Amino acid sequence: GAVVSQHPSWVICKSGTSVKIECRSLDFQATTMFWYRQFPKQSLMLMATSNEGSKATYEQGVEKDKFLINHASLTLSTLTVTSAHPEDSSFYICSARQPTYEQYFGPGTRLTVT
Amino acid sequence: AQRVTQPEKLLSVFKGAPVELKCNYSYSGSPELFWYVQYSRQRLQLLLRHISRESIKGFTADLNKGETSFHLKKPFAQEEDSAMYYCALFGNEKLTFGTGTRLTIIP
Repeated sequence: GAVVSQHPSWVICKSGTSVKIECRSLDFQATTMFWYRQFPKQSLMLMATSNEGSKATYEQGVEKDKFLINHASLTLSTLTVTSAHPEDSSFYICSARQPTYEQYFGPGTRLTVT
Repeated sequence: AQRVTQPEKLLSVFKGAPVELKCNYSYSGSPELFWYVQYSRQRLQLLLRHISRESIKGFTADLNKGETSFHLKKPFAQEEDSAMYYCALFGNEKLTFGTGTRLTIIP
């Protein structure tokens, strides 16, 4: 099946710094990638939809200047958390969609901001 | 707005007993519905989608448009079915998840 990878799997950063998370579709081209946030024991909340070569579409309440998304190629999307604060600590998950509308999920990145 | 509701946060079932995880949805158009499963320490993975009408790992789900439901069923639970299950609806170019049900199979 299709594989999506994320890097890093776990990151700790200091408050005020920026962190970049990469999402790659390893064996297929994904015109659309999605970024989710998951709090402990809660469901996945969609943050933004990323289309290759165009600006990301953010969900209501998600600050686009804080969560910068770049989808530079059909196999790579990045999420940069700028000026991170402790409340940004969470589990970030990306997914990539095939033309058949099936979405494949990455393993997630745990961000801890101290 | 589209919405997916999973009324049970936790569900415990004895091994060999039938399982039913409930899912209701709200969507103005024609929905495409999925069940995803997340085993302990693993990534989210697709279990089944309604349009394929297939049975995966003994699980089935039927879309009932009249009741706006897409309940997941399995006649005989197995210990390896213990996991977190999410119902999801694809509409308006995005996937919306329910809050999930943690299924625990009691040996």
